[in-house]
Amino acid sequence: QVQLQESGPGLVKPSQTLSLTCTVSGGSISSGSYYWSWIRQPAGKGLEWIGRIYTSGSTNYNPSLKSRVTISVDTSKNQFSLKLSSVTAADTAVYYCARCRYSYGRLYFDYWGQGTLVTVSS
Amino acid sequence: DIQMTQSPSSLSASVGDRVTITCRASQSISSYLNWYQQKPGKAPKLLIYAASSLQSGVPSRFSGSGSGTDFTLTISSLQPEDFATYYCQQSYSTPGTFGPGTKVDIK
Repeated sequence: QVQLQESGPGLVKPSQTLSLTCTVSGGSISSGSYYWSWIRQPAGKGLEWIGRIYTSGSTNYNPSLKSRVTISVDTSKNQFSLKLSSVTAADTAVYYCARCRYSYGRLYFDYWGQGTLVTVSS
Repeated sequence: DIQMTQSPSSLSASVGDRVTITCRASQSISSYLNWYQQKPGKAPKLLIYAASSLQSGVPSRFSGSGSGTDFTLTISSLQPEDFATYYCQQSYSTPGTFGPGTKVDIK
């Protein structure tokens, strides 16, 4: 059973960089046809797709965040990470990491982390 | 970006009711449409992928249909554990946008 777990600071100051790591257990991050993804959800609001990385290192980002986002992968640690720079209060949200499965041309998030709340405040 | 809308935004229903939620895309997305269930304080859970394929372990009372721009999630007989918020998501193109959600609560 694949499990994902987010980790990182729960409080970030405005203008600083938010950094989160997702640790994958129960399977190798390098195996299979998967994109490793980040999604966020402000309190009481809907879900926003942030971006994804393939184990080859290729990435796709939401254009609305592209200038501030970097997603990377460390296959030796079975982890992938999110960095979001120049944060403001609008970046306060629960951040989820998720596995996006690619199967017969279809993409879907089949495993999710529990989510971690990141608050941007001085 | 492809915009996703859902209707209704919320509904009240009773145990045993048949519930239908609609999702519409701003352009054709073929069958690149997924449905998720989210309970308060929890991560979303995949119910349906590719518009109509039931994810392993999901009860058969959940079903999905549609293609192009219009899609439907149906719960054939609502159970107490089904009270939650439901989101559609398109995976036709990046960013993989989500609908705003439909909250199903107890009548």
